[in-house]
Order: sequence, then C-alpha cells, then structure tokens
Amino acid sequence: KAGVTQTPRYLIKTRGQQVTLSCSPISGHRSVSWYQQTPGQGLQFLFEYFSETQRNKGNFPGRFSGRQFSNSRSEMNVSTLELGDSALYLCASSTTSGNPQFFGPGTRLTVL
Amino acid sequence: AQSVAQPEDQVNVAEGNPLTVKCTYSVSGNPYLFWYVQYPNRGLQFLLKYITGDNLVKGSYGFEAEFNKSQTSFHLKKPSALVSDSALYFCAVRDIDDYKLSFGAGTTVTVRA
Repeated sequence: KAGVTQTPRYLIKTRGQQVTLSCSPISGHRSVSWYQQTPGQGLQFLFEYFSETQRNKGNFPGRFSGRQFSNSRSEMNVSTLELGDSALYLCASSTTSGNPQFFGPGTRLTVL
Repeated sequence: AQSVAQPEDQVNVAEGNPLTVKCTYSVSGNPYLFWYVQYPNRGLQFLLKYITGDNLVKGSYGFEAEFNKSQTSFHLKKPSALVSDSALYFCAVRDIDDYKLSFGAGTTVTVRA
C-alpha cells in the first residue's frame, strides 16, 4: 500500500497570505489527523477528522482550519499567515482511533 | 487532560550497548501508548504500541517497551543499539475516550561506533 502523501513538500509564503496543504491517507484509512512541529513547541495536535467530521481540535487560533472529503483526503488551511506559523506540518492517518497513526513526510512551511 | 514527559533530551550510548529511552504519561482513563522515531527531514515512523494485554510490547527494528501502570511509564528499550538507531524518538499517549495524540518533547538518541 502507498503511504500517506502530503503536497506540497515545501512552501514559502509571506505574512498575511493564506495557504492550503493537502494530505492523502493510506487507502482504507478514514481517520486523518494534523500536527504542527516546531523546534520550540514540539509536536502539537491541530485537528482530527473521521468520515468528514472533525472530532477533536487542538489549541490553535481560528486561522487554522481543515476539512475532509468523502474519499478521506484532507486539507488544512491557514489564513493570515504569521511568522510563527513557520513549521513542519504533518498529516497522519489510521483505520480507527485505537490503531497507530501513520505519518506522511510533512509539508515544510516557511513564512517570510 | 493527557500529557507525556520524556525526561531526557539526549541519550548517548555505544554501539552494542543496551538503549533505554524513558517516558511517563498522564491520562484520565486507560491509555493507548505509542513510540515513534523521526529521522532528519522525515515524518514519524511507528515503532510500537500498547493498547492492552502483555506489559512487554515488541515492535519494529528490535525495539520493545514495557508498560508499567503503577509508575505510569512506558520506557522504550533495545538490547543492543546500532549506529543506525541514532534519531529522534517520541512517546505519545491517547486517552481511550479521546481522538488526539499527545506527544512528548522527544529524545535525541546518539549511538557512537
């Protein structure tokens, strides 16, 4: 099976812009989670979707949003980018919540 | 609320020696526990999990972990470390009734030849 794929792998944006990141889960996986990884804050949970429904959300401002499509693919959007949004954004998928999450390679976002 | 603590930022061992990476957790209910490894500029790779059952869990690449409920710990171990085990290791916990993973800060393992 193909692993979790994330596009694009690298992004450079300027402050105030918005960005959309995409994640395609492993085939058959219906749960998709997003995480932000930074050197200072480590890995922080953003949100989790299952069958197009957001089931949990981390402590991030409303500028961070996401959605999941009927084919389980997911997107996350960050509006009005700030310098502090520079990070590695990781997507992970699993079959059910109790099973391990498998991670994609991440999207490296740089905000200038 | 759930949380994970990895008390050591760095662990250094010689190749062939045992490797231990420590993890303690806090959850309100029964935990799901995981270990992941991250190589530079890569995503996280799943190593092993504890859901229920035997307290000693075996995983990928010769790693194992021991669940200790009374000490709320889930230490990762490898009997004989390899230079290729050098990486960043994360412990993660999920409450059985929750959907999010909480990660520790990570422990950088360096195995010297």
